[in-house]
Amino acid sequence: GAGVSQSPRYKVAKRGQDVALRCDPISGHVSLFWYQQALGQGPEFLTYFQNEAQLDKSGLPSDRFFAERPEGSVSTLKIQRTQKEDSAVYLCASSLSAGSNQPQHFGDGTRLSIL
Amino acid sequence: GENVEQHPSTLSVQEGDSAVIKCTYSDSASNYFPWYKQELGKRPQLIIDIRSNVGEKKDQRIAVTLNKTAKHFSLHITETQPEDSAVYFCAASTPDYKLSFGAGTTVTVRA
Repeated sequence: GAGVSQSPRYKVAKRGQDVALRCDPISGHVSLFWYQQALGQGPEFLTYFQNEAQLDKSGLPSDRFFAERPEGSVSTLKIQRTQKEDSAVYLCASSLSAGSNQPQHFGDGTRLSIL
Repeated sequence: GENVEQHPSTLSVQEGDSAVIKCTYSDSASNYFPWYKQELGKRPQLIIDIRSNVGEKKDQRIAVTLNKTAKHFSLHITETQPEDSAVYFCAASTPDYKLSFGAGTTVTVRA
């Protein structure tokens, strides 16, 4: 596709339910990032993949959060036993290659609301 | 970790005037500084970036300056237009690939 695609765009879940958020990066992009954006704030780093390898998961808030990218393309962010404080926009970004100074291109995000 | 501070949090300018947003960072190892524009409900869009070996970069009405010694960088928008109204985020990247974002500046261009 032409850009980073995320689904669903909106997700409403009851507290305690599990949710799965999908990211389809730009074709051929090696690096994939997940960020969490609270209302009125800048995005905050969650985790980073280089191909299928998860190289950094230091930003994941708790062990309820899990991310995978099994074939080095599509990635899924899973949140188990959701809590109200998990409500946020979850953004995915990809970049063409590894390296700290590569432009990251973002998707439209998934707006998650936990009731 | 890296800490990025951004000022001001809101900025209102008359159409045609210039807008300046300033950011500071804490980690001297940071080497890449992108700026993103985010409209309500939309994705952050990369508008310009600068690497640590460059002091200034310009793209049409947008320019960014970087002062490595003082650890600050700024975004300048000249001849502002109504479509420039959005939230702007600065960010800094250390060699571990993570982007650390500022809290954002809401820019309103008055017609």
